[in-house]
Amino acid sequence: AQKVTQAQTEISVVEKEDVTLDCVYETRDTTYYLFWYKQPPSGELVFLIRRNSFDEQNEISGRYSWNFQKSTSSFNFTITASQVVDSAVYFCALTENRDDKIIFGKGTRLHILP
Amino acid sequence: GAGVSQSPSNKVTEKGKDVELRCDPISGHTALYWYRQSLGQGLEFLIYFQGNSAPDKSGLPSDRFSAERTGGSVSTLTIQRTQQEDSAVYLCASSLVASLSSYEQYFGPGTRLTVT
Repeated sequence: AQKVTQAQTEISVVEKEDVTLDCVYETRDTTYYLFWYKQPPSGELVFLIRRNSFDEQNEISGRYSWNFQKSTSSFNFTITASQVVDSAVYFCALTENRDDKIIFGKGTRLHILP
Repeated sequence: GAGVSQSPSNKVTEKGKDVELRCDPISGHTALYWYRQSLGQGLEFLIYFQGNSAPDKSGLPSDRFSAERTGGSVSTLTIQRTQQEDSAVYLCASSLVASLSSYEQYFGPGTRLTVT
């Protein structure tokens, strides 16, 4: 069975600090996709990234970066130089080879303090 | 370019009543998904539609829950005989087709359901 674990329920950091959100997944498939979504206070989830299981290269997008390590089944998300607008709930998610269904972790609530 | 819309945004209902939640996907999106977000429980998949068909209903929590989609557009999630444990935010999402490896899901703002 597939499973996504976000062990950090809530994190608070001071603005401009770097913060890493952890995500560990379980799957039996060799082909799968990993995602991160952001849910700001408005409630609408916003897609951040999709990564397939064959691409272990780290990705950087502005202040956001993602570290995918198959050896530890982790797909961690780092925000550098955090800003108050980064405050949100962040969800890690997984689909398997059957890609019409996505399983979400329970989310990490991130507070960026001014 | 309207996004996914959901109505009502908030619904308070008495235990035992039926409720209908509506989702209007992005125009042209053939896939539509329903999720439930309960406090501390993350997002729970309920059901999805490809066109008007629901290939996977496995996430519906009980037979009190049903969903339909007509005309390949608007979908309605119905909860009969509501219980307090049904209180949650119900999120709808749509994508061009039901292939999440290729197509992004776009989420609506959700309907907050409170059963008293």
